[in-house]
Amino acid sequence: AQTVTQSQPEMSVQEAETVTLSCTYDTSENNYYLFWYKQPPSRQMILVIRQEAYKQQNATENRFSVNFQKAAKSFSLKISDSQLGDTAMYFCAFTLGSARQLTFGSGTQLTVLP
Amino acid sequence: DAMVIQNPRYQVTQFGKPVTLSCSQTLNHNVMYWYQQKSSQAPKLLFHYYDKDFNNEADTPDNFQSRRPNTSFCFLDIRSPGLGDAAMYLCATSRAYQAGGGPDTQYFGPGTRLTVL
Repeated sequence: AQTVTQSQPEMSVQEAETVTLSCTYDTSENNYYLFWYKQPPSRQMILVIRQEAYKQQNATENRFSVNFQKAAKSFSLKISDSQLGDTAMYFCAFTLGSARQLTFGSGTQLTVLP
Repeated sequence: DAMVIQNPRYQVTQFGKPVTLSCSQTLNHNVMYWYQQKSSQAPKLLFHYYDKDFNNEADTPDNFQSRRPNTSFCFLDIRSPGLGDAAMYLCATSRAYQAGGGPDTQYFGPGTRLTVL
């Protein structure tokens, strides 16, 4: 079975600064995908970024980037130039390449302070 | 705009009284999912449909059932809600696979918050 661990229940960052959210996972499979989802207060969950395990290059989406360390089974999210709208619960998620089911971590509540 | 719609946004039911939550989508995705998310916890997949093919998670209680009458709609039926079933219920959709291979991104609805009295 696959597990996803987010060890930081809560984090805060000053507006315009950079913050890194941690995620580790455990799997014996080689073909899998990793995701970061964002769930703002009272709003729907949306995809922030995805990473294919077979790709060595770290994914980047505007101010969001990941540090994917496959050997260490680590998948951290870096948010640069934090904005107030980044305040949300962030979930790290995992799925096997052959599956559709997402396994989520317990989430990190990020607060961006003005 | 294409989207995933959940009705109602808030639902109150009584202990043991059946309740149905609905989800519709305009994305024409062939996979639809139901997740249960309890307060401050990660979403937990209950089941999903791939077209009309129903896939139940092994630990989903029998109290939870689902129906998908057509591509656009999917329903979650809770036959006898208990206090422990109070949660946010999230519907999500995706294509079977992403163009180029691999699992597709899941698009989530806003959720239905269920209260059991």
